[in-house]
Amino acid sequence: KQEVTQIPAALSVPEGENLVLNCSFTDSAIYNLQWFRQDPGKGLTSLLLIQSSQREQTSGRLNASLDKSSGRSTLYIAASQPGDSATYLCALGGNQFYFGTGTSLTVIP
Amino acid sequence: NAGVTQTPKFQVLKTGQSMTLQCAQDMNHEYMSWYRQDPGMGLRLIHYSVGAGITDQGEVPNGYNVSRSTTEDFPLRLLSAAPSQTSVYFCASRPSRLDGTQYFGPGTRLLVL
Repeated sequence: KQEVTQIPAALSVPEGENLVLNCSFTDSAIYNLQWFRQDPGKGLTSLLLIQSSQREQTSGRLNASLDKSSGRSTLYIAASQPGDSATYLCALGGNQFYFGTGTSLTVIP
Repeated sequence: NAGVTQTPKFQVLKTGQSMTLQCAQDMNHEYMSWYRQDPGMGLRLIHYSVGAGITDQGEVPNGYNVSRSTTEDFPLRLLSAAPSQTSVYFCASRPSRLDGTQYFGPGTRLLVL
């Protein structure tokens, strides 16, 4: 069974800082990896999808990378803003998606 | 497009009662799934479907039933609710079994007393 770990569980940074969120997994036989954002009491919003054949994807201030050989993915957020405060989840797999428990990000104005 | 919709938004049940959580999508996606989200445990897959008439179990299927008679709808049935089923339930869909962005509904908060 795929095990997905996200460290740290919580992160607090001042506005404007660049930051990296980490996601590690145990089984490299994946089809794709997806990063989500979840606001309190809300559903999940997709941020980026990386296919297994890809190394990274970019959308605006977000960049996600995938290294299957080391079992790691990172989500880079540039010039963080208070509106980025949320929980960030990574999920990977194919038929069955396995989620990490998330990193709760707080950006302090 | 409405995307993925779920009803109800919130429900309180007594132990032993049954109910159906509704999920619908209007994106013509083949793949649909149900997750539960519990504090400290992340999202866990309950059941999934790769197309109309095809369903399979996920990581935590016990106590739940599903069926997929149409592409659009994927209801989740709790046969005899237990306090351990208190959770937030999310429905999701994606274009096909292995590809595409997964889209989530807003969730249903279920409290079993």
